[in-house]
Amino acid sequence: SAVISQKPSRDICQRGTSLTIQCQVDSQVTMMFWYRQQPGQSLTLIATANQGSEATYESGFVIDKFPISRPNLTFSTLTVSNMSPEDSSIYLCSVERFWGDGYTFGSGTRLTVV
Amino acid sequence: GNSVTQMEGPVTLSEEAFLTINCTYTATGYPSLFWYVQYPGEGLQLLLKATKADDKGSNKGFEATYRKETTSFHLEKGSVQVSDSAVYFCALLHNTDKLIFGTGTRLQVFP
Repeated sequence: SAVISQKPSRDICQRGTSLTIQCQVDSQVTMMFWYRQQPGQSLTLIATANQGSEATYESGFVIDKFPISRPNLTFSTLTVSNMSPEDSSIYLCSVERFWGDGYTFGSGTRLTVV
Repeated sequence: GNSVTQMEGPVTLSEEAFLTINCTYTATGYPSLFWYVQYPGEGLQLLLKATKADDKGSNKGFEATYRKETTSFHLEKGSVQVSDSAVYFCALLHNTDKLIFGTGTRLQVFP
């Protein structure tokens, strides 16, 4: 399976600021996704990161709040903008090498907004 | 729409006990089914998967069988260890390429 490096692993941020999370994969993958896991909850898909075009956002998530880049087949970033304490969560990058292979997840970024 | 339902936790067991975590799904056709595990402070790891009816996924002593007739994919292990303490997520993948997760079940194993 693919190996994912996600940075930073954790951060504590002031409200109103922004944080960019990086996801680097050791091989080219077809699909890259960003998930949010709020404390004690399951995972919620934020968006699908599309290479060379705008990300596809799920209901309840918008580009202005969560801008995503994917310049190539091995790298993506998620920015959490204008943060509030409600954004405190674990953010996870996930990839799928090919359909049906199953997703591989990064180790996550634990974000605390104060 | 597609969905996954897991038994609520926490599940509390003594070491060497038998484990079952129930998972049922709702989907048209034949989704792929997965179990993921999340150890404390870590991301998700794929534990096992099954892509068609009657397939059995297995890994690290864990097993789950894809039952089309009961739309289930229950996770089992014959003898749990303290190191198995984690949150377990059942998930399905179907057509849309979006992995749909259950709510997760926390397993606590005591010596």
